[in-house]
Amino acid sequence: QQQVKQSPQSLIVQKGGISIINCAYENTAFDYFPWYQQFPGKGPALLIAIRPDVSEKKEGRFTISFNKSAKQFSLHIMDSQPGDSATYFCAASRGTYKYIFGTGTRLKVLA
Amino acid sequence: DAEITQSPRHKIIETGRQVTLACHQTWNHNNMFWYRQDLGHGLRLIHYSYGVHDTNKGEVSDGYSVSRSNTEDLPLTLESAASSQTSVYFCASSESGRGGETQYFGPGTRLLVL
Repeated sequence: QQQVKQSPQSLIVQKGGISIINCAYENTAFDYFPWYQQFPGKGPALLIAIRPDVSEKKEGRFTISFNKSAKQFSLHIMDSQPGDSATYFCAASRGTYKYIFGTGTRLKVLA
Repeated sequence: DAEITQSPRHKIIETGRQVTLACHQTWNHNNMFWYRQDLGHGLRLIHYSYGVHDTNKGEVSDGYSVSRSNTEDLPLTLESAASSQTSVYFCASSESGRGGETQYFGPGTRLLVL
């Protein structure tokens, strides 16, 4: 019940395309859902986050879509660029400072 | 600028040896975390601390220990290293608030246990 399931494990997208990464959770008590971006050799860094009182949050080319009834949330990267090639982690938190992370998605954007 | 640093960045040790990984943050954050990252498992929480002298076990705490004697540091000790502890270790910190505050990660320590 504490798991966050992330898919796909890897993703290849053409430059200019849309990248979509999905996450699902079981625990309805989760109340904070961040996405982290990690470049090779670096630590993860916060990309965008959402709380369950909204269904969508957009920051530039990055959008989180949140479906509370389905217990799913997804990251959409519009107009994907080679510089977006990285590993992306979704996470969930339940009123505390701890996160439960997904297993990660390795994104490669082809030039 | 505030930052979070980890040392060493790379370490090779023999099975059975003790090793301590350092984590130092200048954000003055109360919360600090240690994760290990392995392919197929993502980031798994080892230990965490919500303040000085506070430590808590995460989901994969066996074989690891931490202590928090000041705000800035949370060293992670592997008491008797095993090959299964070969991994990349990340330290993170966050401030206290309503919950779900941003975690700031260090650059990681790549540990190889032979």
